[in-house]
Amino acid sequence: NAGVTQTPKFQVLKTGQSMTLQCAQDMNHEYMSWYRQDPGMGLRLIHYSVGAGITDQGEVPNGYNVSRSTTEDFPLRLLSAAPSQTSVYFCASSATSGNTGELFFGEGSRLTVL
Amino acid sequence: GESVGLHLPTLSVQEGDNSIINCAYSNSASDYFIWYKQESGKGPQFIIDIRSNMDKRQGQRVTVLLNKTVKHLSLQIAATQPGDSAVYFCAENIESNFGNEKLTFGTGTRLTIIP
Repeated sequence: NAGVTQTPKFQVLKTGQSMTLQCAQDMNHEYMSWYRQDPGMGLRLIHYSVGAGITDQGEVPNGYNVSRSTTEDFPLRLLSAAPSQTSVYFCASSATSGNTGELFFGEGSRLTVL
Repeated sequence: GESVGLHLPTLSVQEGDNSIINCAYSNSASDYFIWYKQESGKGPQFIIDIRSNMDKRQGQRVTVLLNKTVKHLSLQIAATQPGDSAVYFCAENIESNFGNEKLTFGTGTRLTIIP
């Protein structure tokens, strides 16, 4: 049981470059989300999805796009990377039944934008 | 918007002692609270949750206390072990929301267990 898998684990970009962070889960969870984690600021929600074909913005969505074409995958796209997007990104998933706060997180993707 | 805050950013505890990590929240509409543990280089892991109709909930070596009057949440870890060294986050949600899309995390407390 792999859980939530994120790739890549590390990435260095130049300002203006684009890239996609991949996230896949094998638990058949309807809910998936992306957070960024910066020192002293905890985790902040970027985008989330409550099912295939449905996405919505979180607290800090600017500069990021998402799509949810399948239940398993929830990629996060940076169209034109900026130094302010240097951060550690976490993908998370959960079941939507029972309204539990138990999010299952991936190991994180550390992104540096030069 | 309203946010979840922590009283102390770091906490050091002797191995075997009990530890208490505190969290203050300001959104009076929040009625569901969760504690997460994050070890170095890993994603956060769910520890325990509590709903606002409860004051206390116990798990294995952990207890969460909720004081709605002063909007305060605490995580107690009994008989701490070296593996308890991590950053602990509290998070809040409004239970009427669907799923976890409105989960708001605090900034975290780093707990260090001294051997």
